[in-house]
Amino acid sequence: DAEITQSPRHKITETGRQVTLACHQTWNHNNMFWYRQDLGHGLRLIHYSYGVQDTNKGEVSDGYSVSRSNTEDLPLTLESAASSQTSVYFCASSETSGGPYEQYFGPGTRLTVT
Amino acid sequence: GQNIDQPTEMTATEGAIVQINCTYQTSGFNGLFWYQQHAGEAPTFLSYNVLDGLEEKGRFSSFLSRSKGYSYLLLKELQMKDSASYLCAVLDSNYQLIWGAGTKLIIKP
Repeated sequence: DAEITQSPRHKITETGRQVTLACHQTWNHNNMFWYRQDLGHGLRLIHYSYGVQDTNKGEVSDGYSVSRSNTEDLPLTLESAASSQTSVYFCASSETSGGPYEQYFGPGTRLTVT
Repeated sequence: GQNIDQPTEMTATEGAIVQINCTYQTSGFNGLFWYQQHAGEAPTFLSYNVLDGLEEKGRFSSFLSRSKGYSYLLLKELQMKDSASYLCAVLDSNYQLIWGAGTKLIIKP
């Protein structure tokens, strides 16, 4: 069965360190997204990609970067982790055409920055 | 700006019916989604509306009025497993999903 996986599921890191969160999907979707979810906020878009070599900034992209070298993977890098980046991070993917473009989510990564 | 409003929390009784409302103001509209999210888990897709009216899927129904910028999710015959957060999201003119903060539904026996 097709799926979307994230690793690690839990991560504790120190302020200032670089952290990379992995996302891998076997849906063969062109569209991939990274969100963060915090109490009292809806899902907020960090970065997204519509295909290989394509990346775009979302609503809360400062301090984050992504790269898309193949269809299956969209790793998210926190260049210098800050306590404000403590959050739950979700990766999602969706089809490109035919609608309704529903997004399939990975299980999430809980990141704590100390 | 873009805005999606839904109640923060609702309580209902097992076996009853509950309606969760969502109002939106977005730049363009290409459909409205409802997702369910159990605590500590990922959101999962429930329904999609792009035309006005009611879409029924088992115990769950979703309604859309584009002229009013309004949708609701109707849950019938509530079960304890329906205790979760329900997220409303609108696909805007750029095909980006704009998310509400979610409604936490508490089911009491």
